[in-house]
Amino acid sequence: GESVGLHLPTLSVQEGDNSIINCAYSNSASDYFIWYKQESGKGPQFIIDIRSNMDKRQGQRVTVLLNKTVKHLSLQIAATQPGDSAVYFCAENAGNTPLVFGKGTRLSVIA
Amino acid sequence: DAGVIQSPRHEVTEMGQEVTLRCKPISGHDYLFWYRQTMMRGLELLIYFNNNVPIDDSGMPEDRFSAKMPNASFSTLKIQPSEPRDSAVYFCASSLMQAWRETQYFGPGTRLLVL
Repeated sequence: GESVGLHLPTLSVQEGDNSIINCAYSNSASDYFIWYKQESGKGPQFIIDIRSNMDKRQGQRVTVLLNKTVKHLSLQIAATQPGDSAVYFCAENAGNTPLVFGKGTRLSVIA
Repeated sequence: DAGVIQSPRHEVTEMGQEVTLRCKPISGHDYLFWYRQTMMRGLELLIYFNNNVPIDDSGMPEDRFSAKMPNASFSTLKIQPSEPRDSAVYFCASSLMQAWRETQYFGPGTRLLVL
């Protein structure tokens, strides 16, 4: 079946810099996407979502960009902080089906 | 609300033993999901319930795995007999009916080690 994947398994960023985490998806029918953050020893936590009728959505210090042409999703974190260190997952959904999660990208913030 | 509650947080057992994982969803949530997370396979959906009824169990790896939801506030995932390859972190998540595919609230997980 189709699945969600990630370009980079690990990402190291200097504190204060911006982070960009990428995600590729293969199901052209997917119309809803979510980014989750998972800190060590905890369950995934919702960060931000976006529907396929949008190209960009902004939250607090985070922005999600969706490029449906190339089936690409990205999460931008502004002014990365040590507390942003975690594994980030993208997830996709098509219609009435459950979420499909990607493998995850580990973000390490260097102080 | 205390969020999704899972117990135990850690479980170490020997191969062949029965393992029961427990979950209490957020009050008022209509959907409950069981996931398994491993380094190799990432986060996999095992089964999900809507209003206590199992909707899709296609992710359950084999007959050794079973899940129940006897009421709106409690669910169990049972593995009998357990095997070393079942070692993983098992998450329970819940969501509201109108947002079932959207914001899922995850519990802290149960870390299972089968020796």
